[in-house]
Amino acid sequence: EAGVVQSPRYKIIEKKQPVAFWCNPISGHNTLYWYRQNLGQGPELLIRYENEEAVDDSQLPKDRFSAERLKGVDSTLKIQPAELGDSAVYLCASSSGTGAGTEAFFGQGTRLTVV
Amino acid sequence: GENVEQHPSTLSVQEGDSAVIKCTYSDSASNYFPWYKQELGKGPQLIIDIRSNVGEKKDQRIAVTLNKTAKHFSLHITETQPEDSAVYFCAALSSGGSYIPTFGRGTSLIVHP
Repeated sequence: EAGVVQSPRYKIIEKKQPVAFWCNPISGHNTLYWYRQNLGQGPELLIRYENEEAVDDSQLPKDRFSAERLKGVDSTLKIQPAELGDSAVYLCASSSGTGAGTEAFFGQGTRLTVV
Repeated sequence: GENVEQHPSTLSVQEGDSAVIKCTYSDSASNYFPWYKQELGKGPQLIIDIRSNVGEKKDQRIAVTLNKTAKHFSLHITETQPEDSAVYFCAALSSGGSYIPTFGRGTSLIVHP
């Protein structure tokens, strides 16, 4: 079974440019997460989806970040315009639900470098 | 919200030695504590977890302990091997909130052959 698939793996853009990341979760997983991981730190949640509904987006900088999960499967995360401080690894994860013992499976991440 | 502190940030051991990573949490409502291993260029992968109604859990060379009173939990790796070298993250989830894991800052474990 394929795991969580993310693309691209790496992205280098100039500041003020837009960028988009794509995530395909594990088949059947209703819950999808986007995390940002800064260098030397743990992942920080940006947004969580239950099917197509964003149920936790309090940490998403809504002035420049947006996300969507049409049809409750694949998801895209967009930054427009990107800033130097957005350089990080963006991780997507999925799970079959939420609750104790529900494992979240992570993709390999997209490493974004803003220059 | 939850706050998870993790120590040390870097841990260097010789092959065969034991390694211990410690975490503390702030939210007394947290009741699930997973540990993740992240290898270079990969996403975090769950290696072991513990629930608040259990004090200790063991899986081959790794074990976790939980002290609810003190709000701290630890990862123990025995007989370390070079392939154990990675970044390890602890996390805590609270049933009182949206049940989203809050991660520690990570420990870079280096096992020297």
